[in-house]
Amino acid sequence: QVQLQQWGAGLLKPSETLSLTCGVSGGSFSGFYWSWVRQAPGKGLEWIGEISHIGSINYNPSLKSRASISVDTSKNQLALKVTSVTAADTAVYYCARGRGHYPYWFFDLWGRGTLVTVSS
Amino acid sequence: SSELTQDPAVSVALRQTVRITCQGDSLKKYYANWYQQKPGQAPVLVIYGKDNRPSGIPDRFSGSISGNTATLTITGAQAEDEADYYCNSRGGSGDHVVFGGGTKLTVL
Repeated sequence: QVQLQQWGAGLLKPSETLSLTCGVSGGSFSGFYWSWVRQAPGKGLEWIGEISHIGSINYNPSLKSRASISVDTSKNQLALKVTSVTAADTAVYYCARGRGHYPYWFFDLWGRGTLVTVSS
Repeated sequence: SSELTQDPAVSVALRQTVRITCQGDSLKKYYANWYQQKPGQAPVLVIYGKDNRPSGIPDRFSGSISGNTATLTITGAQAEDEADYYCNSRGGSGDHVVFGGGTKLTVL
């Protein structure tokens, strides 16, 4: 059974860099798009960006180039970095597996989420 | 603001039918998907594509599409269906992903 396990620092100060990793176990890393999605407290889901196993990347323009997603296929891991964080970046961060082909495309697997709090 | 629009809240009486809608131009190109999220939990896919249910999702959940509006229907809502529901699709250009703002479903 494929599982997504997330880890990373949960408490940051303003201006620091958020760094999270998501490990894929029990299944293939190839053939999917791997996304990061976040959810601020009491708010909806916000897509941050995605990466394919071959490194093709798309980002949500709203993060204004602060987000960076990478993949290590040798370890079946993807990573997220968000620079210059502020309180507005406080959220639960999820990794998720995207799959499908036009006009179908969906997230069929989610990590459990990591709460990241930005506070001075 | 979301490129997909959902009503913030909907309520339904136990065992009745409820419809949750999602509207957006991207739905003219990509099918909508629906996720259920309960407090403190990750979202769970309940409907994908035209009207497909992942394994383990009860058949009281169904989906439909008309023009730029997708609808999630729960036929015979149960107490355990009380949750937030989010629609999503790829953006119209295909190079990004969008979510609706979410609909809080209350089962009375």
